Amino acid sequence: KQEVTQIPAALSVPEGENLVLNCSFTDSAIYNLQWFRQDPGKGLTSLLLIQSSQREQTSGRLNASLDKSSGRSTLYIAASQPGDSATYLCAFMDSNYQLIWGAGTKLIIKP
Amino acid sequence: EPEVTQTPSHQVTQMGQEVILRCVPISNHLYFYWYRQILGQKVEFLVSFYNNEISEKSEIFDDQFSVERPDGSNFTLKIRSTKLEDSAMYFCASSYTVGETQYFGPGTRLLVL
Repeated sequence: KQEVTQIPAALSVPEGENLVLNCSFTDSAIYNLQWFRQDPGKGLTSLLLIQSSQREQTSGRLNASLDKSSGRSTLYIAASQPGDSATYLCAFMDSNYQLIWGAGTKLIIKP
Repeated sequence: EPEVTQTPSHQVTQMGQEVILRCVPISNHLYFYWYRQILGQKVEFLVSFYNNEISEKSEIFDDQFSVERPDGSNFTLKIRSTKLEDSAMYFCASSYTVGETQYFGPGTRLLVL
C-alpha cells in the first residue's frame, strides 16, 4: 500500500528562520507531487507542483525538490513569517491519477 | 482569479438521510474530484470524473456514493443513506488536465448525528 510520511508532525520556529519540511513516499512510479497549505477549518491551497521529470520548483520564498529514486521531497521556506503558520501537506499522484496524501506538518511561526 | 466554490459550507443531517454536496469547478477545467478528510486524519481520495463519467474511484466510494454533473457548471456528490462515519470535511477539486495542479474548494463540513 502506498504511504506518504511527513516529518516532523509539528514545528515551531521564530520568525525569520529558514526551514525545511520533509515528505517521503513509497511509490517511485509517481506522476507528480504537490505541496499544499491548509489553514484551520479551511480548504487546501496548492503551493507547488513538481512533475515526475522535474527536480524542483520555486515560487517566491518557497522551493520544493523531488528525488524519486530516494522517495523524498522537501519544501524549503525562506525567511519565515507569522503568516506562514498553517499545516503543510504533500501529496503524490499515483499511476491511477489518484492523490495520495501525507498527514501534514503543522507549522507555527512565532513573531 | 477563478476559484472552486462549494455549498453548503456546513451541513448537519440525521443518520440514514440523503445529502447532496454541491461544487462549482473552475469553468474551463475538465477533470473534477471529490476528497474527504475525517477530523484529525489524512485527506482521502474518493472519486475523479471526466467527460461525464467516473474515471477512478477509491474503495471508500461504495454504492452509497454517487456523483453527477447535472448541468454545465455544477458537480455534485450524493450520499444516499448517511452513516455516522461519513462525518468529515468534503473537498471538491478541479483541474484542466489529469496531471496538472488541482484547485480545491473551501470544503463542506458534514456532521451526521
